[in-house]
Amino acid sequence: EPEVTQTPSHQVTQMGQEVILRCVPISNHLYFYWYRQILGQKVEFLVSFYNNEISEKSEIFDDQFSVERPDGSNFTLKIRSTKLEDSAMYFCATLPQGNHNEQFFGPGTRLTVL
Amino acid sequence: AQSVSQHNHHVILSEAASLELGCNYSYGGTVNLFWYVQYPGQHLQLLLKYFSGDPLVKGIKGFEAEFIKSKFSFNLRKPSVQWSDTAEYFCAVFPRGNQGGKLIFGQGTELSVKP
Repeated sequence: EPEVTQTPSHQVTQMGQEVILRCVPISNHLYFYWYRQILGQKVEFLVSFYNNEISEKSEIFDDQFSVERPDGSNFTLKIRSTKLEDSAMYFCATLPQGNHNEQFFGPGTRLTVL
Repeated sequence: AQSVSQHNHHVILSEAASLELGCNYSYGGTVNLFWYVQYPGQHLQLLLKYFSGDPLVKGIKGFEAEFIKSKFSFNLRKPSVQWSDTAEYFCAVFPRGNQGGKLIFGQGTELSVKP
């Protein structure tokens, strides 16, 4: 069964450094998402991406964040200058076209900012 | 604003007890509804989903949920829990107004099952 993959599984970085989290979506899916889950809290939407542009973004997704599909397959989330409060689990999700579908989640990347 | 509310933060049960986790959402239009489970140290897994049709849906591992449109609810049930059901459970709603929109999650319910 096809699945969403994410790399790395765990990233440790110093405050102020740039990180790039990578996701490989399921091949025929058209919509891509990033969510995050701070330890002990609920899963929060960050951004959705369709047709090579952002469809929607949350208040969390400020100028420090960006997303792109650099090569038509990977879907990346970049945090330009990480803060302590960016420490969280980041999940990529993808969705095929159509209303009767579910989002498929990747295993997540645990980001630890020191 | 669209939101999802899960009534219980933490539920503690003994094995073989019955489980019901509440979920209510606020959105006036048509929705897809989901329950996800997150076992300790693992990622989100889909437990069950509702798109349309029979409001009583069955998922994996003996879980079921009932969609009551008039109450904007989608409660999760299991007649007899096992120790291996210890996990965090998230209700999520997908408003179908805009295709490709975001999932809105509840705050989660932590279930602890005592052997």
